[in-house]
Amino acid sequence: QQQVKQSPQSLIVQKGGISIINCAYENTAFDYFPWYQQFPGKGPALLIAIRPDVSEKKEGRFTISFNKSAKQFSLHIMDSQPGDSATYFCAASSYYGQNFVFGPGTRLSVLP
Amino acid sequence: DSGVTQTPKHLITATGQRVTLRCSPRSGDLSVYWYQQSLDQGLQFLIQYYNGEERAKGNILERFSAQQFPDLHSELNLSSLELGDSALYFCASSDHRGSYEQYFGPGTRLTVT
Repeated sequence: QQQVKQSPQSLIVQKGGISIINCAYENTAFDYFPWYQQFPGKGPALLIAIRPDVSEKKEGRFTISFNKSAKQFSLHIMDSQPGDSATYFCAASSYYGQNFVFGPGTRLSVLP
Repeated sequence: DSGVTQTPKHLITATGQRVTLRCSPRSGDLSVYWYQQSLDQGLQFLIQYYNGEERAKGNILERFSAQQFPDLHSELNLSSLELGDSALYFCASSDHRGSYEQYFGPGTRLTVT
């Protein structure tokens, strides 16, 4: 019940295309859903996050879509760029971050 | 730059040894989290401290321990090291005042030979 599932494991997208990464959770107590971006040799960096009271949040080219009834959320990267090539982790948390669970990650490669 | 610092950046040691990893959280953040990241395991939560007290425990081995000091910096102690302990160890901090956001440090790469 603590697990967060993430797919696909890896993704290759052409420059200018849309990258979509999906996550699913079981624990209905989760109430915070962030996405982290990690470049090789660096720590994960918070990209965008959503609370379950909204169905979508957009920041620049990055959008989170959230489906509370299906217990699923996804990251959409519009106009994907080679600089977006990184590993993306979804996560879920409750109780002010005391229960933080990460998905296994998606390695995104954006071809020039 | 997240504002979270970790030292050392790299650490190479032998099996059976003990090492200490250090983390300084962002200014004002009371919570510190430790994570282990190995190639086939993703990010594994180890332990969380809040204002000096242990708040939550994850998949932390008994050979590992941590503490948070009055100045809020934290140390992760790894003992009786095994080859399988080779990984990246990340520290993250959050202010815990209504915010769930965690900010990660650059990590310590531990290699056990």
